[in-house]
Amino acid sequence: AQKVTQAQTEISVVEKEDVTLDCVYETRDTTYYLFWYKQPPSGELVFLIRRNSFDEQNEISGRYSWNFQKSTSSFNFTITASQVVDSAVYFCALSEATMHTGNQFYFGTGTSLTVIP
Amino acid sequence: DGGITQSPKYLFRKEGQNVTLSCEQNLNHDAMYWYRQDPGQGLRLIYYSQIVNDFQKGDIAEGYSVSREKKESFPLTVTSAQKNPTAFYLCASSIAKVYTFGSGTRLTVV
Repeated sequence: AQKVTQAQTEISVVEKEDVTLDCVYETRDTTYYLFWYKQPPSGELVFLIRRNSFDEQNEISGRYSWNFQKSTSSFNFTITASQVVDSAVYFCALSEATMHTGNQFYFGTGTSLTVIP
Repeated sequence: DGGITQSPKYLFRKEGQNVTLSCEQNLNHDAMYWYRQDPGQGLRLIYYSQIVNDFQKGDIAEGYSVSREKKESFPLTVTSAQKNPTAFYLCASSIAKVYTFGSGTRLTVV
């Protein structure tokens, strides 16, 4: 079963616009972790945020903000005043706490963001 | 500085040949993982290892093999049985829900 869904395959915005990347997840665990990673063209995964299932507070870090809603199983990511350097593929991921899964990630299929100057 | 080193960054293989991708970490992490990335499919788990001398198949283990003889090293062998090996391969390690990824190896079958 699909664990993490990123319905937006590609998004293009003009520089300085705000953009929200959607992430919907599925899990039966009561304890789990959600992540966002950025993958620039060079390929490495850059960690952006980790949120555990007991902390529903929204978080803001500079131009980045995250909206975690357990009621809708969503963990959306907003970039405010986008810049060309934000162009990348963004992955949402889920990690469950059970030993059976070996703490592996379940990745979404990614959203490719292009910021047009 | 601690981190994960994957080598080489680019790798070319002839059809029918086995090839081994290197992954080394100096983070003292117990768990290590191999993921494969194809366009539009996100990252899929190939193998993972929670401790030395133990590893488990992930979702797409067919055609791959691994070993975990040392805590620091988790090499991945892409065998000739893997029918479509051209992809981007990422190695990761973790401890207490802190994950670190390598910079990846892009494998192309020619």
